[in-house]
Amino acid sequence: EAGVVQSPRYKIIEKKQPVAFWCNPISGHNTLYWYRQNLGQGPELLIRYENEEAVDDSQLPKDRFSAERLKGVDSTLKIQPAELGDSAVYLCASSLRQGQPQHFGDGTRLSIL
Amino acid sequence: AQSVSQHNHHVILSEAASLELGCNYSYGGTVNLFWYVQYPGQHLQLLLKYFSGDPLVKGIKGFEAEFIKSKFSFNLRKPSVQWSDTAEYFCAVNQAAGNKLTFGGGTRVLVKP
Repeated sequence: EAGVVQSPRYKIIEKKQPVAFWCNPISGHNTLYWYRQNLGQGPELLIRYENEEAVDDSQLPKDRFSAERLKGVDSTLKIQPAELGDSAVYLCASSLRQGQPQHFGDGTRLSIL
Repeated sequence: AQSVSQHNHHVILSEAASLELGCNYSYGGTVNLFWYVQYPGQHLQLLLKYFSGDPLVKGIKGFEAEFIKSKFSFNLRKPSVQWSDTAEYFCAVNQAAGNKLTFGGGTRVLVKP
């Protein structure tokens, strides 16, 4: 089966610019997750979707971050405006349903200048 | 709040040596436990998981992990490592009731040929 697909793989922008990441989960996976992974640390959950509904966005900095999962398939994560501290790898994962093992994409490595 | 601790940040060992990576978590309720591996340049992959039953879990590539409930631990082991086991290993815990997957900080393992 095709894995979780993310794009772009790398993104370099100047601070205060907007940026968006895209994720296509594994077909049939109802649950989609966005994580942020800082250098030398494990992934931290930003938001979880059950189909098109965001059921856990408690860790999403809502002043500058937004996400959507229209039609319950693909998802986008946006940062506007980006700050220096947002430099990290942004990971997307999906699972058949909540609690099941998560499958991860390759991530987007974001660098803020 | 739930937390996951991995005691070693870096491990260096020679081929054929035995490997054991420690993982402890703080949550006292029912948990699902995972080990993920990230090989250089690749995405996070599931190594093994524990949901219930036999606390000794066998995963891919000769890895196994033992859940010791009384110690809140889920240590990963491999009797004889290979150079190809060079990777970063992440322990993750999911509260069965809450579905939030919390990762440890990761352990970088370098196997010298």
